[in-house]
Amino acid sequence: DARVTQTPRHKVTEMGQEVTMRCQPILGHNTVFWYRQTMMQGLELLAYFRNRAPLDDSGMPKDRFSAEMPDATLATLKIQPSEPRDSAVYFCASGFSGTGTDEQYFGPGTRLTVT
Amino acid sequence: QKEVEQNSGPLSVPEGAIASLNCTYSDRGSQSFFWYRQYSGKSPELIMSIYSNGDKEDGRFTAQLNKASQYVSLLIRDSQPSDSATYLCAEAPGRRALTFGSGTRLQVQP
Repeated sequence: DARVTQTPRHKVTEMGQEVTMRCQPILGHNTVFWYRQTMMQGLELLAYFRNRAPLDDSGMPKDRFSAEMPDATLATLKIQPSEPRDSAVYFCASGFSGTGTDEQYFGPGTRLTVT
Repeated sequence: QKEVEQNSGPLSVPEGAIASLNCTYSDRGSQSFFWYRQYSGKSPELIMSIYSNGDKEDGRFTAQLNKASQYVSLLIRDSQPSDSATYLCAEAPGRRALTFGSGTRLQVQP
Protein backbone atom coordinates (compact mmCIF):
# COMPACT_ATOMS: atom_id res chain seq x y z
CA ASP A 1 0.00 0.00 0.00
CA ALA A 2 1.90 3.06 -1.31
CA ARG A 3 1.44 6.07 0.92
CA VAL A 4 3.26 9.23 1.88
CA THR A 5 4.39 9.02 5.49
CA GLN A 6 5.10 11.94 7.79
CA THR A 7 6.63 12.18 11.24
CA PRO A 8 5.84 13.31 13.81
CA ARG A 9 2.07 13.38 13.53
CA HIS A 10 1.77 15.87 16.36
CA LYS A 11 4.29 18.30 17.80
CA VAL A 12 3.88 20.76 20.65
CA THR A 13 6.81 23.04 21.29
CA GLU A 14 7.69 26.33 22.87
CA MET A 15 8.42 29.48 20.96
CA GLY A 16 12.04 29.69 19.94
CA GLN A 17 12.59 25.95 19.69
CA GLU A 18 13.68 24.16 16.54
CA VAL A 19 11.13 21.93 14.83
CA THR A 20 11.97 19.30 12.21
CA MET A 21 9.30 17.51 10.21
CA ARG A 22 10.06 14.53 8.00
CA CYS A 23 8.39 13.06 4.98
CA GLN A 24 8.88 9.85 3.04
CA PRO A 25 7.40 10.18 -0.46
CA ILE A 26 5.81 7.31 -2.31
CA LEU A 27 8.51 5.07 -3.82
CA GLY A 28 9.15 6.08 -7.42
CA HIS A 29 7.73 9.57 -7.13
CA ASN A 30 10.08 12.35 -8.15
CA THR A 31 8.26 15.44 -6.92
CA VAL A 32 7.75 16.44 -3.30
CA PHE A 33 5.71 19.33 -1.98
CA TRP A 34 5.35 20.93 1.43
CA TYR A 35 2.05 22.69 2.21
CA ARG A 36 0.77 24.45 5.29
CA GLN A 37 -2.92 24.56 6.15
CA THR A 38 -4.64 26.97 8.51
CA MET A 39 -8.27 27.94 8.88
CA MET A 40 -7.52 31.48 7.78
CA GLN A 41 -5.21 30.85 4.81
CA GLY A 42 -6.23 27.42 3.60
CA LEU A 43 -3.59 25.31 1.85
CA GLU A 44 -0.43 27.23 1.05
CA LEU A 45 2.57 25.91 -0.86
CA LEU A 46 5.82 26.28 1.06
CA ALA A 47 8.33 24.38 -1.09
CA TYR A 48 8.51 22.12 -4.12
CA PHE A 49 11.22 19.66 -5.19
CA ARG A 50 11.67 17.74 -8.41
CA ASN A 51 14.30 15.02 -8.57
CA ARG A 52 15.51 16.33 -5.17
CA ALA A 53 16.25 19.80 -6.56
CA PRO A 54 14.35 22.73 -5.05
CA LEU A 55 12.19 24.39 -7.71
CA ASP A 56 10.07 26.79 -5.72
CA ASP A 57 10.33 27.90 -2.12
CA SER A 58 8.83 31.34 -2.59
CA GLY A 59 6.04 30.58 -0.12
CA MET A 60 8.44 29.89 2.70
CA PRO A 61 9.69 32.50 5.21
CA LYS A 62 13.38 32.23 4.40
CA ASP A 63 14.67 33.57 7.67
CA ARG A 64 13.26 30.71 9.73
CA PHE A 65 12.18 27.92 7.41
CA SER A 66 14.33 25.53 5.42
CA ALA A 67 13.47 22.53 3.29
CA GLU A 68 15.80 19.83 2.02
CA MET A 69 15.83 16.42 0.37
CA PRO A 70 18.90 14.58 1.64
CA ASP A 71 17.94 11.61 -0.54
CA ALA A 72 15.05 10.42 -2.69
CA THR A 73 13.28 8.80 0.24
CA LEU A 74 13.43 11.67 2.71
CA ALA A 75 12.30 15.29 2.70
CA THR A 76 12.64 17.56 5.71
CA LEU A 77 11.11 20.86 6.73
CA LYS A 78 12.79 22.73 9.52
CA ILE A 79 11.65 25.78 11.47
CA GLN A 80 14.20 27.61 13.57
CA PRO A 81 13.24 29.47 15.67
CA SER A 82 9.56 28.57 15.82
CA GLU A 83 6.88 31.16 16.56
CA PRO A 84 3.23 30.84 17.65
CA ARG A 85 2.09 31.96 14.18
CA ASP A 86 3.71 28.81 12.76
CA SER A 87 1.01 26.72 14.42
CA ALA A 88 -0.71 24.84 11.60
CA VAL A 89 -0.96 21.46 9.92
CA TYR A 90 1.97 20.79 7.62
CA PHE A 91 1.38 18.40 4.77
CA CYS A 92 3.84 16.69 2.52
CA ALA A 93 2.66 15.47 -0.88
CA SER A 94 4.41 13.53 -3.61
CA GLY A 95 3.82 12.90 -7.27
CA PHE A 96 5.49 11.91 -10.50
CA SER A 97 6.38 14.59 -13.02
CA GLY A 98 7.00 13.27 -16.49
CA THR A 99 3.69 11.69 -17.37
CA GLY A 100 1.94 15.04 -17.56
CA THR A 101 -0.61 14.17 -14.90
CA ASP A 102 0.61 16.38 -12.02
CA GLU A 103 -1.37 14.30 -9.55
CA GLN A 104 -0.23 14.70 -5.96
CA TYR A 105 -0.84 12.43 -3.01
CA PHE A 106 -0.85 13.79 0.50
CA GLY A 107 0.60 12.41 3.69
CA PRO A 108 -1.34 12.46 6.95
CA GLY A 109 0.21 15.74 8.07
CA THR A 110 2.05 17.05 11.10
CA ARG A 111 -0.05 19.13 13.46
CA LEU A 112 2.27 21.73 14.96
CA THR A 113 1.41 23.80 18.01
CA VAL A 114 3.86 26.48 19.13
CA THR A 115 3.14 27.97 22.53
CA GLN B 1 -7.36 37.97 -6.33
CA LYS B 2 -7.28 34.29 -5.47
CA GLU B 3 -6.49 32.17 -8.51
CA VAL B 4 -8.98 29.43 -7.71
CA GLU B 5 -12.38 30.45 -6.40
CA GLN B 6 -14.88 28.24 -4.63
CA ASN B 7 -18.02 28.96 -2.65
CA SER B 8 -17.19 28.09 0.95
CA GLY B 9 -20.69 26.75 1.65
CA PRO B 10 -21.92 24.87 3.47
CA LEU B 11 -23.76 23.20 0.64
CA SER B 12 -26.50 21.10 2.15
CA VAL B 13 -28.21 18.35 0.15
CA PRO B 14 -30.50 15.50 1.18
CA GLU B 15 -29.28 11.92 1.02
CA GLY B 16 -29.71 10.48 -2.45
CA ALA B 17 -29.64 13.85 -4.21
CA ILE B 18 -27.03 15.18 -6.62
CA ALA B 19 -24.46 17.51 -5.07
CA SER B 20 -22.95 20.06 -7.46
CA LEU B 21 -19.69 21.73 -6.52
CA ASN B 22 -18.24 24.53 -8.62
CA CYS B 23 -14.88 26.16 -9.09
CA THR B 24 -13.50 28.94 -11.29
CA TYR B 25 -9.88 29.63 -12.07
CA SER B 26 -8.00 32.60 -13.48
CA ASP B 27 -4.94 31.10 -15.20
CA ARG B 28 -5.84 30.34 -18.82
CA GLY B 29 -2.62 28.37 -19.14
CA SER B 30 -3.72 25.74 -16.63
CA GLN B 31 -3.91 22.28 -18.14
CA SER B 32 -4.69 20.03 -15.21
CA PHE B 33 -7.47 20.19 -12.65
CA PHE B 34 -8.17 18.15 -9.57
CA TRP B 35 -10.77 17.59 -6.92
CA TYR B 36 -9.68 16.58 -3.45
CA ARG B 37 -11.90 15.53 -0.58
CA GLN B 38 -10.85 16.41 2.96
CA TYR B 39 -12.57 15.06 6.02
CA SER B 40 -12.24 17.08 9.20
CA GLY B 41 -8.85 16.48 10.78
CA LYS B 42 -7.60 14.44 7.82
CA SER B 43 -5.42 15.10 4.80
CA PRO B 44 -6.72 15.91 1.31
CA GLU B 45 -7.51 12.82 -0.75
CA LEU B 46 -7.45 12.93 -4.54
CA ILE B 47 -10.80 11.83 -5.96
CA MET B 48 -10.85 13.15 -9.53
CA SER B 49 -8.50 14.61 -12.10
CA ILE B 50 -9.49 16.12 -15.45
CA TYR B 51 -7.35 17.44 -18.27
CA SER B 52 -9.60 18.04 -21.28
CA ASN B 53 -12.90 19.78 -21.90
CA GLY B 54 -16.01 17.77 -21.21
CA ASP B 55 -17.05 15.26 -18.61
CA LYS B 56 -15.15 12.52 -16.83
CA GLU B 57 -17.03 9.96 -14.80
CA ASP B 58 -15.78 7.70 -12.04
CA GLY B 59 -18.45 5.84 -10.11
CA ARG B 60 -20.76 8.36 -8.47
CA PHE B 61 -18.44 11.25 -9.31
CA THR B 62 -18.41 13.29 -12.51
CA ALA B 63 -15.92 16.08 -13.13
CA GLN B 64 -16.72 18.69 -15.77
CA LEU B 65 -14.24 21.08 -17.35
CA ASN B 66 -14.95 24.10 -19.53
CA LYS B 67 -11.68 25.83 -20.38
CA ALA B 68 -13.36 28.61 -22.37
CA SER B 69 -15.35 29.62 -19.29
CA GLN B 70 -12.51 28.68 -16.91
CA TYR B 71 -14.90 26.57 -14.92
CA VAL B 72 -14.58 23.18 -13.24
CA SER B 73 -17.32 21.32 -11.45
CA LEU B 74 -17.82 18.09 -9.53
CA LEU B 75 -21.11 16.26 -9.42
CA ILE B 76 -21.77 13.64 -6.78
CA ARG B 77 -24.73 11.42 -7.59
CA ASP B 78 -26.72 9.57 -4.94
CA SER B 79 -25.07 11.60 -2.19
CA GLN B 80 -24.41 9.76 1.05
CA PRO B 81 -23.79 11.10 4.56
CA SER B 82 -20.25 9.74 4.20
CA ASP B 83 -19.71 12.28 1.39
CA SER B 84 -19.95 15.08 3.96
CA ALA B 85 -16.54 16.75 3.79
CA THR B 86 -14.74 19.75 2.38
CA TYR B 87 -14.05 19.51 -1.34
CA LEU B 88 -10.97 21.31 -2.64
CA CYS B 89 -10.55 22.30 -6.25
CA ALA B 90 -6.99 22.62 -7.53
CA GLU B 91 -5.26 23.59 -10.75
CA ALA B 92 -1.73 22.96 -11.96
CA PRO B 93 -0.65 26.08 -13.80
CA GLY B 94 2.15 25.27 -16.19
CA ARG B 95 2.85 21.99 -14.42
CA ARG B 96 4.02 23.77 -11.29
CA ALA B 97 2.76 22.96 -7.83
CA LEU B 98 -0.98 22.89 -7.35
CA THR B 99 -2.95 26.01 -6.49
CA PHE B 100 -5.89 25.19 -4.25
CA GLY B 101 -9.19 26.88 -3.72
CA SER B 102 -10.39 27.44 -0.18
CA GLY B 103 -12.82 24.54 -0.41
CA THR B 104 -16.58 23.98 -0.29
CA ARG B 105 -18.04 22.25 2.72
CA LEU B 106 -20.67 19.69 1.76
CA GLN B 107 -23.25 18.41 4.20
CA VAL B 108 -25.41 15.46 3.20
CA GLN B 109 -28.48 15.24 5.39
CA PRO B 110 -29.74 11.71 6.18
